[in-house]
Amino acid sequence: GAVVSQHPSWVICKSGTSVKIECRSLDFQATTMFWYRQFPKQSLMLMATSNEGSKATYEQGVEKDKFLINHASLTLSTLTVTSAHPEDSSFYICSARDAADGGEQYFGPGTRLTVT
Amino acid sequence: SQQGEEDPQALSIQEGENATMNCSYKTSINNLQWYRQNSGRGLVHLILIRSNEREKHSGRLRVTLDTSKKSSSLLITASRAADTASYFCATDGTSYDKVIFGPGTSLSVIP
Repeated sequence: GAVVSQHPSWVICKSGTSVKIECRSLDFQATTMFWYRQFPKQSLMLMATSNEGSKATYEQGVEKDKFLINHASLTLSTLTVTSAHPEDSSFYICSARDAADGGEQYFGPGTRLTVT
Repeated sequence: SQQGEEDPQALSIQEGENATMNCSYKTSINNLQWYRQNSGRGLVHLILIRSNEREKHSGRLRVTLDTSKKSSSLLITASRAADTASYFCATDGTSYDKVIFGPGTSLSVIP
């Protein structure tokens, strides 16, 4: 099946710094990628939808200037958490849609961000 | 929002018993998926059921979909301790634009 990878799998950063998370579709082209955030004991909340070559669409309540998304190629999307604060500590999960596979969505393993 | 809702929020059963989780959603969908997530880990895809399907099986898993009631159920038969996890339903809208997750059911299977 299709594989989506994320890097890093976990990261610790200091408050005020920025951190970039990569999401890659390894064996298919993903015209659309999605970024989710999950706090402990909660469900996944969609943050934004990223289409290759265009600006991301953010869900209500998600600050686009804080969570910068770039989808420069059909296999890579990045999420940059700028000026991170402890409340940004969370599990970030990306997914990629394989347009050639009936639109099925494949999820990455997630990145755990801890802001100290 | 087409976000699904699930019940129960938490379920505790004895090993060997069956576990049933329900999911409801608000708008028309293309498909509905069930995922499992162990604590602190990523998602494991269990089953995808399309809007024109009513029931699907995979091993000990049985999923039903009732589009008239906008609801789905996941049945795990002969549960095992290893089934202890959180289970989420996720719906994909008719425009294939995004997948929205329900709040999840936390299942504990007691050996």
